[in-house]
Amino acid sequence: AQSVAQPEDQVNVAEGNPLTVKCTYSVSGNPYLFWYVQYPNRGLQFLLKYITGDNLVKGSYGFEAEFNKSQTSFHLKKPSALVSDSALYFCAVRAVIKAAGNKLTFGGGTRVLVKP
Amino acid sequence: NAGVTQTPKFRVLKTGQSMTLLCAQDMNHEYMYWYRQDPGMGLRLIHYSVGEGTTAKGEVPDGYNVSRLKKQNFLLGLESAAPSQTSVYFCASSLGLAAYEQYFGPGTRLTVT
Repeated sequence: AQSVAQPEDQVNVAEGNPLTVKCTYSVSGNPYLFWYVQYPNRGLQFLLKYITGDNLVKGSYGFEAEFNKSQTSFHLKKPSALVSDSALYFCAVRAVIKAAGNKLTFGGGTRVLVKP
Repeated sequence: NAGVTQTPKFRVLKTGQSMTLLCAQDMNHEYMYWYRQDPGMGLRLIHYSVGEGTTAKGEVPDGYNVSRLKKQNFLLGLESAAPSQTSVYFCASSLGLAAYEQYFGPGTRLTVT
C-alpha cells in the first residue's frame, strides 16, 4: 500500500530564513509527487509536482522541491520565507504504474508558521 | 471562471438527518472527487468519478452516496448522518488521472450532533 509521511506536525521559521517541509513516500514503482498548500478556511491549492526528468522542481510563490529517489523523499523548500507562507502544507503521491491503482495518497499535513 | 464551487459552506445536522452537498466545476474536467479532511489525517477519498454517469468508491465510502448526472456536477449524499461524519468535505476535479493535479473547492464544514 502506498503512503506518505510528513514527520513534522509544525515547522516554525523566522521571516527571511529558509523553509523546508519534509516528505517521504512509499509506492510501487515510480511516483508522481505533488505539494499542495491550504490557507485557513480555504481549499487546497496546487503548488508543484514531480513527474519525470529534473529532480529539482520549481513551483508557485517561489517554492521548489527536490525529488530524491534513493531516499524516497520530496522535500519542499523556499529560500526566504514570508509571513504569508504560514499555512498547512500537504504532500501527495500517486503510482505511475496503473496496476498499483490511480489513488492519490495525502500525507497528514505540516503546519508552517513564519514569524516576523 | 469560478473553478470548483461547493454548496453549502456550513451545515449542522442532527443524527439521522439527510443532506446533499453539491459540487460544480466549470473547467470541463472529466474527473471529480469527494474527500473528507479530519485533523492529523490529511485528506481521505470518499468517492470519485471518471466521467459523466460514472462513480466509484474511494477509501472511506461507507455512509455516503454520490451521483454524476452532468459532467460539471458531482453530488455527495448522506442518507442518515452520524456524528462520525462531522468533518470538512472537499470536492476536487482534474483533467486526467496520473500526473494531473487536482483543483479543490473551498470546502463544506459539516457538524452532526
